[in-house]
Amino acid sequence: NAGVMQNPRHLVRRRGQEARLRCSPMKGHSHVYWYRQLPEEGLKFMVYLQKENIIDESGMPKERFSAEFPKEGPSILRIQQVVRGDSAAYFCASSPLERAAQHFGDGTRLSIL
Amino acid sequence: KNQVEQSPQSLIILEGKNCTLQCNYTVSPFSNLRWYKQDTGRGPVSLTIMTFSENTKSNGRYTATLDADTKQSSLHITASQLSDSASYICVVSDGTNAGKSTFGDGTTLTVKP
Repeated sequence: NAGVMQNPRHLVRRRGQEARLRCSPMKGHSHVYWYRQLPEEGLKFMVYLQKENIIDESGMPKERFSAEFPKEGPSILRIQQVVRGDSAAYFCASSPLERAAQHFGDGTRLSIL
Repeated sequence: KNQVEQSPQSLIILEGKNCTLQCNYTVSPFSNLRWYKQDTGRGPVSLTIMTFSENTKSNGRYTATLDADTKQSSLHITASQLSDSASYICVVSDGTNAGKSTFGDGTTLTVKP
């Protein structure tokens, strides 16, 4: 019974490149959440998705960021034209129900050169 | 605006001692309150989850309390161990904004031998 799987664990990109972060939720979980954590800071909500639908993206920057959770396959957080300020740890969580406890992955650490 | 405030920001205790972490929130309407433990470089792991009607919940040496009237919660750690060194995060979900939780900035606990 694998937990939430995120890959890659570490990702290095140069300014202007695209970053793709993947998240496979726990088996049976259809709700996925993405969070960003800057060094020495708390987690900040970005987006909440159910299968094929974005439910709440109020925490996600309007430009360059997008997220999807297709019918088949992992959830993807995409950051286009990355900038230095995008350097952070990005965590994905999943839950079986809307307000149930969220189970977190170990994050993807994104570094922008 | 929904807010979650945690105190202290950081805490150092000796192995074997007890400690209590505080969480005050202004989230309304209230749905549930969760405490997570986040080890360095890892994702948060759920310790307890409490709904409106629950005053206290235990998970081994961790005991969480909730006072919904004063909108306060505490996490008590008994007989601390070196492995308790981590960040402890209080998270509150509201009853209307499905899936979007408000995170505190965490308390960093260091247990010294």
